[in-house]
Amino acid sequence: DTEVTQTPKHLVMGMTNKKSLKCEQHMGHRAMYWYKQKAKKPPELMFVYSYEKLSINESVPSRFSPECPNSSLLNLHLHALQPEDSALYLCASSQATALYEQYFGPGTRLTVT
Amino acid sequence: GENVEQHPSTLSVQEGDSAVIKCTYSDSASNYFPWYKQELGKRPQLIIDIRSNVGEKKDQRIAVTLNKTAKHFSLHITETQPEDSAVYFCAAHGFQKLVFGTGTRLLVSP
Repeated sequence: DTEVTQTPKHLVMGMTNKKSLKCEQHMGHRAMYWYKQKAKKPPELMFVYSYEKLSINESVPSRFSPECPNSSLLNLHLHALQPEDSALYLCASSQATALYEQYFGPGTRLTVT
Repeated sequence: GENVEQHPSTLSVQEGDSAVIKCTYSDSASNYFPWYKQELGKRPQLIIDIRSNVGEKKDQRIAVTLNKTAKHFSLHITETQPEDSAVYFCAAHGFQKLVFGTGTRLLVSP
């Protein structure tokens, strides 16, 4: 299996809702990432997990809470989001954090109303 | 931290022409440089990459060159086809993370 999968594909949530995004890979990769991508912009790194430990948090607001339950799964818990948080959320994985190709999932298109 | 600049922002070519996209980076410690292609509504897909111990790499119609002294790298696409139309992102890998360029929208007209 050489793919990163993400669910759901689309998500619409209100500003008071709590929801979670899920990401899964079965390539044996030990690094996993969350990116946020706005229209016509490059992916913007949010979090990096290395060997299931959070290694980078790019000063992301606390309304985004990542979790890595095991080496194959990555979650992003969302709470009290703002309309400006509407974006494509991409998960990626790589063998390790240094010098290895990152493979992206298809993303979750999030709309905050 | 690392900063990656990418030019041009938009590139229009005729089918069969060559296309060149250029990137510069700021951190001399960066040592891995991938290129991603992203079609509308799709995920970024790795198309080619180069590491700092190599000056050039080619894969069929796609090639990447790296000049570490000048801190710039380029993507070359020959014999362009309409299906090459997409947004292309360069990136530089420094300590633990990739930093992306701003993207180039390539349009190949039949």
